[in-house]
Amino acid sequence: EAGVVQSPRYKIIEKKQPVAFWCNPISGHNTLYWYLQNLGQGPELLIRYENEEAVDDSQLPKDRFSAERLKGVDSTLKIQPAELGDSAVYLCASSRGSEQFFGPGTRLTVL
Amino acid sequence: DQQVKQNSPSLSVQEGRISILNCDYTNSMFDYFLWYKKYPAEGPTFLISISSIKDKNEDGRFTVFLNKSAKHLSLHIVPSQPGDSAVYFCAASAGNQGGKLIFGQGTELSVKP
Repeated sequence: EAGVVQSPRYKIIEKKQPVAFWCNPISGHNTLYWYLQNLGQGPELLIRYENEEAVDDSQLPKDRFSAERLKGVDSTLKIQPAELGDSAVYLCASSRGSEQFFGPGTRLTVL
Repeated sequence: DQQVKQNSPSLSVQEGRISILNCDYTNSMFDYFLWYKKYPAEGPTFLISISSIKDKNEDGRFTVFLNKSAKHLSLHIVPSQPGDSAVYFCAASAGNQGGKLIFGQGTELSVKP
């Protein structure tokens, strides 16, 4: 069974530029999560999807962050414009039950 | 506020000995607890979990203990192996939160040969 796929693995951009991350969850997993992980911290939930519906986006900074999961399968997370403080690892996870399976993450560096 | 806390950022253990990783939580609504293991440049992988109706769950070398009155859980690894060296995250969820996990800061375990 293929795991959660994320791309790109690494991204370096200058501040004020836009950036997008892509996630393909495990086949059959209806629930998809985007997490932010700062250095030395645990992952923090940004948004959770049940199929194509965002059921918990309370932690998503909506002034600059957006996400979509149009067909209820893969998802994109966008930041526009990026700020220096957005440098972190962005993790995608999916689940069908209580266990969440994580992708390798995208490490974003904003210069 | 940090609802899940791992107060030890690092732990070093000799191969073959027991590793004990600790986690404290503040939210009494949490009813499901998990441990994840993370290697560098990889995402966290599920290790073991425990429901609040239990006080112990064992899977091979890994055992998780839950003390609800103290709002404390611990992960025991015995015997520890060099391949266990990784960052371990404790996570918790409440049944009414749709599976939302709250993670601790992580503890980096180093098992020395």
